[in-house]
Amino acid sequence: QKEVEQNSGPLSVPEGAIASLNCTYSDRGSQSFFWYRQYSGKSPELIMFIYSNGDKEDGRFTAQLNKASQYVSLLIRDSQPSDSATYLCAVITLNKFYFGSGTKLNVKP
Amino acid sequence: GAVVSQHPSWVICKSGTSVKIECRSLDFQATTMFWYRQFPKQSLMLMATSNEGSKATYEQGVEKDKFLINHASLTLSTLTVTSAHPEDSSFYICSARTAKETQYFGPGTRLLVL
Repeated sequence: QKEVEQNSGPLSVPEGAIASLNCTYSDRGSQSFFWYRQYSGKSPELIMFIYSNGDKEDGRFTAQLNKASQYVSLLIRDSQPSDSATYLCAVITLNKFYFGSGTKLNVKP
Repeated sequence: GAVVSQHPSWVICKSGTSVKIECRSLDFQATTMFWYRQFPKQSLMLMATSNEGSKATYEQGVEKDKFLINHASLTLSTLTVTSAHPEDSSFYICSARTAKETQYFGPGTRLLVL
């Protein structure tokens, strides 16, 4: 079992809709959770991090963490074509970083 | 956020030559840096963890004698691809970890070995 699992997608949403990206992790002891965005041909860039259960909002992005169910999600409100990218979930477990394989998001105009 | 730079951004070399890639944390000190490789349309693959002042830790299947890593200071790690071959052509990305455990990525280096 992989440490971090993501649906590879692609996830297609119309412009203006809410995009919901999900990630599950295997180790209950995982402490820190991150979302990165990677455009094609570019390196990943950090969007958000979350440490505590609940929601964390930053502009159009909301990260949600549920440690009991071992999942973390990223909501993108008012999706724009420029949000089309691969979104990587990352988790720190026992001081080691684990990345998911990423979910490809397509926002259609 | 923290800034990580890489140099060069792209390099073309002949088969058999060695290529050095630099990774710098510009506005923070990083005791740990990471080197990744990514082939087209594939996931990031961690190659090694670079620790300042000590030997790098390589992932399984990565040849330490081929991919030399030197973390000489708290802001600089280098990856040298020795005797590069066409199959080493890839997108090499470094990242640096802050004191708060967050990883920030460099812009990446595209290597093409002819």
